[in-house]
Amino acid sequence: DIQMTQSPSSVSASVGDRVTITCRASQGVSNWLAWYQQKPGKAPKILIHASSILQRGVPSRFRGSGSGTDFTLTISSLQPEDFATYYCQQANSFPYTFGQGTKLEIK
Amino acid sequence: EVQLVESGGGLVQPGGSLRLSCAASGFTFSSYWMTWFRQAPGKGLEWVANMNEDGSEKHYVDSVKGRFAISRDNAKNSLFLQMNSLRDEDTAVYYCARGRNWGGYWGQGTLVTVSS
Repeated sequence: DIQMTQSPSSVSASVGDRVTITCRASQGVSNWLAWYQQKPGKAPKILIHASSILQRGVPSRFRGSGSGTDFTLTISSLQPEDFATYYCQQANSFPYTFGQGTKLEIK
Repeated sequence: EVQLVESGGGLVQPGGSLRLSCAASGFTFSSYWMTWFRQAPGKGLEWVANMNEDGSEKHYVDSVKGRFAISRDNAKNSLFLQMNSLRDEDTAVYYCARGRNWGGYWGQGTLVTVSS
């Protein structure tokens, strides 16, 4: 199975900050990678698929990049509603696997 | 509007069975792969299984192979997950989602608790 490792596991930031979350795959996944946002008690919401394609309706302050084994999710100018947990997921080969999550907290 | 509504969760003893359902609306159900994900309490997300449009192709995570079965009824716009030989570690919120590679739309989830 492909292991997905996110860093950091948690990060504290302020409204207006720029935050970058990294996801590393144990083997290449091409661009078969998605990013999700999850708020407490809610279902995950997809933000980005195919590494860099923004899901319709997702604000442009979210940006995904990367290919192969190294990927990043960047949130420019954090808004109050962005404080949540973020997950990456590879869809290159079964079983699809997730990173352990990155909790973005208010400083 | 795409809607996915899961049902069928509950408390079950180890070794027992449950059948989860997911009612879909707002899109042409028979044209999409569908997926089950789960999330144990306080833990991260896990992909469980998915199925193609006509049910001829199915994939499972190793930990549920031989115990869980994904199925669908396109005439009733419904997705199912039959869960047998349940274990403590199957305790989780189970989500159905539209899509093959990733969950584009998710339901609200249904909680399955395996405990004696």
